[in-house]
Amino acid sequence: GNSVTQMEGPVTLSEEAFLTINCTYTATGYPSLFWYVQYPGEGLQLLLKATKADDKGSNKGFEATYRKETTSFHLEKGSVQVSDSAVYFCALSDTGFQKLVFGTGTRLLVSP
Amino acid sequence: ETGVTQSPTHLIKTRGQQVTLRCSSQSGHNTVSWYQQALGQGPQFIFQYYREEENGRGNFPPRFSGLQFPNYSSELNVNALELDDSALYLCASSLVGQGLTGELFFGEGSRLTVL
Repeated sequence: GNSVTQMEGPVTLSEEAFLTINCTYTATGYPSLFWYVQYPGEGLQLLLKATKADDKGSNKGFEATYRKETTSFHLEKGSVQVSDSAVYFCALSDTGFQKLVFGTGTRLLVSP
Repeated sequence: ETGVTQSPTHLIKTRGQQVTLRCSSQSGHNTVSWYQQALGQGPQFIFQYYREEENGRGNFPPRFSGLQFPNYSSELNVNALELDDSALYLCASSLVGQGLTGELFFGEGSRLTVL
């Protein structure tokens, strides 16, 4: 079945550092890929998405590229802020936005 | 426009009891999905309701059941609670139809503890 593997956290960075959170997937067909973010005390929010190979999703300085050849969708940000501290989930779906399969999440901690 | 709201936010039950969790969808949304998020894990799909009927189910036993009402609000019921049912239960609503498979909007969740 479909699955998502994320790097384990926590990832601890200083403000303005470069961020990479790795995500690989296993799926039949051509799923859509997503990154969701969960800030403390809040629900999951869609951060960015990509629906086909070589698409780049981007939002709030974060970006991720759908790499079919390596089955990856790594999240990157050039300069993190303290306010980016949260748990980040990689997810896939073979039915648009519906019936998401999530990774286990990666906690990001950014210090001033 | 109101977002997705869930109740209660926290509750404690004992093994063998039954629980009902409630969700009000975002205005204009016709589909609701439920996910279980165990501590330190990613959310797992339980089931989805569209037009008051179950429209897909994950790997959860029949003691997990749900309802969607005409106003698109929803309930998740869990019978014969087990310790492993302790988790954050997330509701998400979306607008589906006419070729649309819309973005999921999540509530903050109901945290269930089973003792």
